[in-house]
Amino acid sequence: DAGVIQSPRHEVTEMGQEVTLRCKPISGHDYLFWYRQTMMRGLELLIYFNNNVPIDDSGMPEDRFSAKMPNASFSNLKIQPSEPRDSAVYFCASSLRPGTSGDEQFFGPGTRLTVL
Amino acid sequence: DQQVKQNSPSLSVQEGRISILNCDYTNSMFDYFLWYKKYPAEGPTFLISISSIKDKNEDGRFTVFLNKSAKHLSLHIVPSQPGDSAVYFCAASNVGGSQGNLIFGKGTKLSVKP
Repeated sequence: DAGVIQSPRHEVTEMGQEVTLRCKPISGHDYLFWYRQTMMRGLELLIYFNNNVPIDDSGMPEDRFSAKMPNASFSNLKIQPSEPRDSAVYFCASSLRPGTSGDEQFFGPGTRLTVL
Repeated sequence: DQQVKQNSPSLSVQEGRISILNCDYTNSMFDYFLWYKKYPAEGPTFLISISSIKDKNEDGRFTVFLNKSAKHLSLHIVPSQPGDSAVYFCAASNVGGSQGNLIFGKGTKLSVKP
């Protein structure tokens, strides 16, 4: 398996524009996670899905952020409208059963988002 | 309020010596702990984990120690190698409570000097 795939790797956009980040989890993994990494807040969970259903979205900063998982092999995270403070590295991760021995989360390479 | 804290933003160690990375947590419901390693421009990769029913787990050069009473865990790397230079994240979860998410610390940047 190629691992978790994220696209694009880098995104530069202007304030007010819509941004869409994409993720393909590892085949067979039931859980998918979206994280955001910033210098100030470190690595924080935004939302996670189990079997394509959102389980916990309490980490989503505000209504400008939304995430969907239409099928087991794809998820996207949208920011509309984007703001400069959204600039960060966004990671997608997947796992079989999170938190149990041997079923750790596998992370993608991340998308570096810059909002000007 | 941070539930998982890594109070040392950086650590520098000589090659061949021991590296000790520390992590403290506040939530007594956490029952599973992990360490991830991250190189620049890459996603974090799983390194080692420990369940709360254990106090030590070893995997090659890496050992994680858990002190539940102190709510403290540490990662020991012996001997340290230049390739170990990376950012190390401590993470915790509440598996017993069916919490699927991990809570991460802010990371410690380890530099191993040749």
